[in-house]
Amino acid sequence: KAGVTQTPRYLIKTRGQQVTLSCSPISGHRSVSWYQQTPGQGLQFLFEYFSETQRNKGNFPGRFSGRQFSNSRSEMNVSTLELGDSALYLCASSVTGVKNTEAFFGQGTRLTVV
Amino acid sequence: KQEVTQIPAALSVPEGENLVLNCSFTDSAIYNLQWFRQDPGKGLTSLLLIQSSQREQTSGRLNASLDKSSGRSTLYIAASQPGDSATYLCAVLNAGGTSYGKLTFGQGTILTVHP
Repeated sequence: KAGVTQTPRYLIKTRGQQVTLSCSPISGHRSVSWYQQTPGQGLQFLFEYFSETQRNKGNFPGRFSGRQFSNSRSEMNVSTLELGDSALYLCASSVTGVKNTEAFFGQGTRLTVV
Repeated sequence: KQEVTQIPAALSVPEGENLVLNCSFTDSAIYNLQWFRQDPGKGLTSLLLIQSSQREQTSGRLNASLDKSSGRSTLYIAASQPGDSATYLCAVLNAGGTSYGKLTFGQGTILTVHP
């Protein structure tokens, strides 16, 4: 059974540009969550999607957005990139995103903003 | 607001030692608690999931316990090996309809097992 797949693995972007990251969940998993990991802040929750609907959102500016497709694949977009957006972006998939379901993470996308 | 704390922040032990990592959380209304391992620059690998109704889970040399009422969990690693060196993270999933898919993480314990 394939795990959670994130593409691309590495990205280098310039301030002011925008970027799109992709996440393919484990087959049968309908919940996809996104996290930002930085040395200073640790792992912070961005948002969660289930059946193409955003059910939950963390405390990030509106420059961070996402969507989910009918096959449960998800994308997140960051517009007008800032240096502080440099981080490891991780997505997690689970069957339902609620009680008693285990979350599985992808390998992450390392975004560097220069 | 849920807060998760992990102690110690770093731990260095010789190979073969048994060790305990600690995790505490402030809000006991959780659905479950998960322990993860992260190698440098990599994603998270799920080690153990403990549901709120359970007291412990075991997988190989790993044993995790949960005391929901006191807001504590421990991860016990038996007979540590150099390959166990990594950052260990605990995370909780809060109960309630506003917590969909949102894990709250501790800052992690960096474990080094030297030969």
